[in-house]
Amino acid sequence: GQNIDQPTEMTATEGAIVQINCTYQTSGFNGLFWYQQHAGEAPTFLSYNVLDGLEEKGRFSSFLSRSKGYSYLLLKELQMKDSASYLCAVRHSGNTPLVFGKGTRLSVIA
Amino acid sequence: DADVTQTPRNRITKTGKRIMLECSQTKGHDRMYWYRQDPGLGLRLIYYSFDVKDINKGEISDGYSVSRQAQAKFSLSLESAIPNQTALYFCATSEASGSRTQYFGPGTRLLVL
Repeated sequence: GQNIDQPTEMTATEGAIVQINCTYQTSGFNGLFWYQQHAGEAPTFLSYNVLDGLEEKGRFSSFLSRSKGYSYLLLKELQMKDSASYLCAVRHSGNTPLVFGKGTRLSVIA
Repeated sequence: DADVTQTPRNRITKTGKRIMLECSQTKGHDRMYWYRQDPGLGLRLIYYSFDVKDINKGEISDGYSVSRQAQAKFSLSLESAIPNQTALYFCATSEASGSRTQYFGPGTRLLVL
């Protein structure tokens, strides 16, 4: 089975940096994904990690440690439009769909 | 034009009615998925299909059925809708190789009275 945990809610200040953690337990591992979802809208793909280390993409970075079953999404220079839910998802083999965590709702305040 | 489209975008129906939600994609992806999203429960997989002749149950398939009419089309049916099927429904697609990133449609908001 698979268990994916992430904080339910976080609040951060505009211009700051925030780190959203995700831990997972899975019988196999074939990639970890982060999605952003604004209220009432579709999830949109942010990042993909399959090897250990940091993937940087503009203001967003994602880190993976497979041995620890741990990932984080780092958002820099926060903007009000970054207020959204952030979903961590894991695929445990190449032929299985993604399994999603319940998401972290991030509120960016002035 | 959007790569993954869903119809209808909003639907209100009554308990016991049969309804169909449709998903179409122009991405040329082989794999398609149906998820539902409920507050506090996240995205949960209902059914998925890796090609036209392949249908697989997900975590919460009871009360639902699907049809993969073509590579580009994947429909979800509620044979006899019940109020606890009120939710936001998302279709997604992915390639069969590489990162297999899933791309989501805009969603269908369903209310069962």
